[in-house]
Amino acid sequence: DSGVTQTPKHLITATGQRVTLRCSPRSGDLSVYWYQQSLDQGLQFLIQYYNGEERAKGNILERFSAQQFPDLHSELNLSSLELGDSALYFCASSVTRGSEQFFGPGTRLTVL
Amino acid sequence: DQQVKQNSPSLSVQEGRISILNCDYTNSMFDYFLWYKKYPAEGPTFLISISSIKDKNEDGRFTVFLNKSAKHLSLHIVPSQPGDSAVYFCAVLERAGGTSYGKLTFGQGTILTVHP
Repeated sequence: DSGVTQTPKHLITATGQRVTLRCSPRSGDLSVYWYQQSLDQGLQFLIQYYNGEERAKGNILERFSAQQFPDLHSELNLSSLELGDSALYFCASSVTRGSEQFFGPGTRLTVL
Repeated sequence: DQQVKQNSPSLSVQEGRISILNCDYTNSMFDYFLWYKKYPAEGPTFLISISSIKDKNEDGRFTVFLNKSAKHLSLHIVPSQPGDSAVYFCAVLERAGGTSYGKLTFGQGTILTVHP
């Protein structure tokens, strides 16, 4: 158990819908990261927050957004969902931005 | 353009023997490398890391070697156990500043199977 929690574990929804994935980092970690794992793209970095501020962005679609709240939990919002958004979404956290990242169990999103 | 490559999709090893997993990278500015293990339906688990100021780091049965001139790192597991069967990812942590600071870039993974 890494100490990072993610909810929900599974999510099934339809195209065009909007969903919110939630992540609670390890106690004391200020940095939160979101990654997407799809069959054809592997593990891809989406976005990073540090103490409430966005600090780095990867190949995140404009339909996706995230935020980190004052209690340091983070939410990833996915809207206008398409079939190709079906993937595993992982949250990770670290003490600082330059240290090892610890991953949560992931949320499996299925878009039908 | 893959910056981190694991050229072996799979590796099969007998229990008790050594497992060697390899990884190549393209950017000589990368200076911090990590290995993660992943079981199906779980998140990646951090195993071991190495900074570019070192060429070797050990943690129990796991040793990571870094060859900067060849832009190559490897993970050695000795002795291998059936419970080590998983997907192993190498990753680079970008720490050179700029907008990618803190980003992990992963290889495609190697499926390790350890037979009893």
